[in-house]
Amino acid sequence: NAGVTQTPKFRVLKTGQSMTLLCAQDMNHEYMYWYRQDPGMGLRLIHYSVGEGTTAKGEVPDGYNVSRLKKQNFLLGLESAAPSQTSVYFCASSQLRTGASYEQYFGPGTRLTVT
Amino acid sequence: DQQVKQNSPSLSVQEGRISILNCDYTNSMFDYFLWYKKYPAEGPTFLISISSIKDKNEDGRFTVFLNKSAKHLSLHIVPSQPGDSAVYFCAASGGGSYIPTFGRGTSLIVHP
Repeated sequence: NAGVTQTPKFRVLKTGQSMTLLCAQDMNHEYMYWYRQDPGMGLRLIHYSVGEGTTAKGEVPDGYNVSRLKKQNFLLGLESAAPSQTSVYFCASSQLRTGASYEQYFGPGTRLTVT
Repeated sequence: DQQVKQNSPSLSVQEGRISILNCDYTNSMFDYFLWYKKYPAEGPTFLISISSIKDKNEDGRFTVFLNKSAKHLSLHIVPSQPGDSAVYFCAASGGGSYIPTFGRGTSLIVHP
C-alpha cells in the first residue's frame, strides 16, 4: 500500500509557465484534496473532489484548475505560474465520513518555486 | 476570518514534562475535531480525533479534551519526548460539510 503519492517532489518554474501536479491514492477513497502550505498560514484548501468526475473550489482556488477523471487520481494544474504560487503543495484523500473515524491521508508534498 | 485558531505559533517544553497545545473554534456547527502532526519535509499525519458527543479521547501519551461551551479543545502529550517535536495542526468539520478547516499550526519543540 503506497498510500498517497505525489509527482513531482520538486519543481522550479518561470513566471508564465504551466505545469500539472499529479496525486494518486490506492486506498479507494472517495474524497481528494489539494492544499498549499505557506509559512504562518497553515494548510489552505485549493480545490477538492467528492468523487470521480466532480470537483469544487476551496479557500484559495484562483490560478489553479483540477481534474478527477479517475477515482484514484487528482490533478492540479497551474496554467500561468506566478511567484505568489511558490509554496509546498499537499494532496490528501479520505473515505466518506462514517461512524467516528474520518481522517485525511496526506502525500509527501511538492515543493514548487516560481521565479 | 479564521474559524479554527491556534493562537500559539510555538511552544517549548522539557523532555518528560507535559505539552499542552490549544485550539479555539468559532463555528458552533463543528462536531468533529482532529489533530495532525507534521515533520519537516513530510506530509501531515493523523494523530487523534474527537467527536462532539465526547469531552475526552485518549490514545497512549496523547489525550484530546473538548470543551464545547468554550469552543475550545486541547491536546495533551504526557510525557513529552524529543521525537514529538513537530508542527501540530488542529482541524474541525461539521454543519453538513465533511471538508475540514485547519488552524495555522503550533510548532512544538521538546528539549532533551
